[in-house]
Amino acid sequence: NAGVTQTPKFRILKIGQSMTLQCTQDMNHNYMYWYRQDPGMGLKLIYYSVGAGITDKGEVPNGYNVSRSTTEDFPLRLELAAPSQTSVYFCASSSGTAQETQYFGPGTRLLVL
Amino acid sequence: DQQVKQNSPSLSVQEGRISILNCDYTNSMFDYFLWYKKYPAEGPTFLISISSIKDKNEDGRFTVFLNKSAKHLSLHIVPSQPGDSAVYFCAASALPLVFGKGTRLSVIA
Repeated sequence: NAGVTQTPKFRILKIGQSMTLQCTQDMNHNYMYWYRQDPGMGLKLIYYSVGAGITDKGEVPNGYNVSRSTTEDFPLRLELAAPSQTSVYFCASSSGTAQETQYFGPGTRLLVL
Repeated sequence: DQQVKQNSPSLSVQEGRISILNCDYTNSMFDYFLWYKKYPAEGPTFLISISSIKDKNEDGRFTVFLNKSAKHLSLHIVPSQPGDSAVYFCAASALPLVFGKGTRLSVIA
């Protein structure tokens, strides 16, 4: 059982480039999330989705876009990368209620130069 | 404004001793709390949780205590082991979860 998978593991982008971070879960979870973790900081929510076709902004959505066309996939799009987007990005999923455990992927480390 | 605070960025403990990680919250509507553990280069993993109807929950070496009147919870690890060295995040139930900034625990052999 793969759980939550993320690709790529590491990427270097130049300022102004764009890319998509991929996230897939095989647990049939309705809820999926994207977080970023900056050095010495906690997890900040970028976007989340409560089901296919439904997405909502989190705490730090600027500079990012998401889509949720299937239950399994929740890609995160960076348009016009900026150095401030250098971070580690984690995707997570849960079955739905606030008391349900979130399962995290291994993360994507992004460096914008 | 942080709703979940972990005021100690780091903690060092000797192997075999007790580790106590603290967490404070401001929103009295939170009714469920979780602790996640994170190793370097990995995603966080769920460790233990507690409902607001309880004041203690135990799972092996890990115990979480909740003091609702003080809006405070703590994670106790006894005995601490070198493999416990990680960053620990406190989280409060909401959709989505509200995470603290984490405490880095170092268990010294």
